[in-house]
Amino acid sequence: KQEVTQIPAALSVPEGENLVLNCSFTDSAIYNLQWFRQDPGKGLTSLLLIQSSQREQTSGRLNASLDKSSGRSTLYIAASQPGDSATYLCAVEGYQKVTFGTGTKLQVIP
Amino acid sequence: DTGVSQNPRHKITKRGQNVTFRCDPISEHNRLYWYRQTLGQGPEFLTYFQNEAQLEKSRLLSDRFSAERPKGSFSTLEIQRTEQGDSAMYLCASSLVPTGLAASYNEQFFGPGTRLTVL
Repeated sequence: KQEVTQIPAALSVPEGENLVLNCSFTDSAIYNLQWFRQDPGKGLTSLLLIQSSQREQTSGRLNASLDKSSGRSTLYIAASQPGDSATYLCAVEGYQKVTFGTGTKLQVIP
Repeated sequence: DTGVSQNPRHKITKRGQNVTFRCDPISEHNRLYWYRQTLGQGPEFLTYFQNEAQLEKSRLLSDRFSAERPKGSFSTLEIQRTEQGDSAMYLCASSLVPTGLAASYNEQFFGPGTRLTVL
């Protein structure tokens, strides 16, 4: 059974700081890993998708890495802004199933 | 708006009643997923469709839950004899996995969700 863990559960940083969010998974037989953000009471917004054969993906100030063999992914956010405040979720897709972590709640303080 | 849409956005019902939610995926997306999310938790996978075929159901999807995607376009999720424990946000997502390409390229796009409250 796939288990996905995100650490830390919550994070508070001052504006402008670079930060790293972590996602770990127990079964390395995955097709892909996707990072999302979720604002309170809203649906999920896709940030980055990393295919199993890839090591990293970049979009603007975001960079996500994937180390399948160790079961880890990181989401790096550069120069954080108050608008980045949200819950960040990672999801891994395996055979016939998608498993989400419980998320990291990020607060960026102006 | 070309995103995933869900209706209704909110539903309040009494215990024992049946409810039905609808999801309209992004046009031409061949995969459609249903998830359930409770407060403070990540979404839990319920089921997914490839076109009109339902390929997988989680054990969370008890016999009171049924999902359909009759023509490979919109989907409905029905909950019969609702219980207070069914109160949650129900999320729908869609994706396009081109035929012949690896399932590794499967970016999911989510709708706004339907919040169910069972009294």
